[in-house]
Amino acid sequence: QLVLTQSPSASASLGASVKLTCTLSRGHSNYAIAWHQQQPERGPRYLMRLNTDGSHSKGDGIPDRFSGSSSGAERYLTISSLQSEDEADYYCQTWDTGIRVFGGGTKLTVL
Amino acid sequence: QVQLVESGGGLVKPGGSLRLSCAASEFTFSDYYMSWIRQAPGKGLEWVSTTTSSGSTIYYADSVKGRFTISRDNAKNSLYLQMNSLRGDDTAVYYCARDLGGSGSYHPDYWGQGTLVTVSS
Repeated sequence: QLVLTQSPSASASLGASVKLTCTLSRGHSNYAIAWHQQQPERGPRYLMRLNTDGSHSKGDGIPDRFSGSSSGAERYLTISSLQSEDEADYYCQTWDTGIRVFGGGTKLTVL
Repeated sequence: QVQLVESGGGLVKPGGSLRLSCAASEFTFSDYYMSWIRQAPGKGLEWVSTTTSSGSTIYYADSVKGRFTISRDNAKNSLYLQMNSLRGDDTAVYYCARDLGGSGSYHPDYWGQGTLVTVSS
């Protein structure tokens, strides 16, 4: 079964960097994913597609502070120079024939 | 700038029906897959359904299969979700999303602001 696992919460200080993790289930380590951000009381926003080799393509207007990387079944979202508006929920998402699957999300707190 | 505006949400009794609409603009609607994704209060995102650009192929999550019907009208740049036999666990904000399916990427790249559906007696 295709499952994405995310830590429920993360925190980092203003101006620092943070790396969020999304883990693909056994047998699915070669799957690409997408990252989405949801700021409080807003609809989600697409950040990037992230491939197995770590290459990524970002959505329109996504700052260079957002980057992605991969290692095995792990997919990472790194946010550098954290700003207050980065405080949000971050969801990874993948796909298989006909279906889309979301991770449970990580709530990022900017201290 | 791509715009997706959902409407049609509201309060409905268990067992009732509701039809959501999504008005799309600022892109060629007929070129894109479209999806509905929902979010229960305080919970994460849950994929509901996706239609191909022509509407010829449709996919549903198991949780809504047989109860919900996705459709589109490419002449009106509109996406719909007919929801029947509604249950309390269908209570959620429903998002319309443009989907890159068919291009090798099967994920949303633009989202609407959502419409709230509340199922309660």
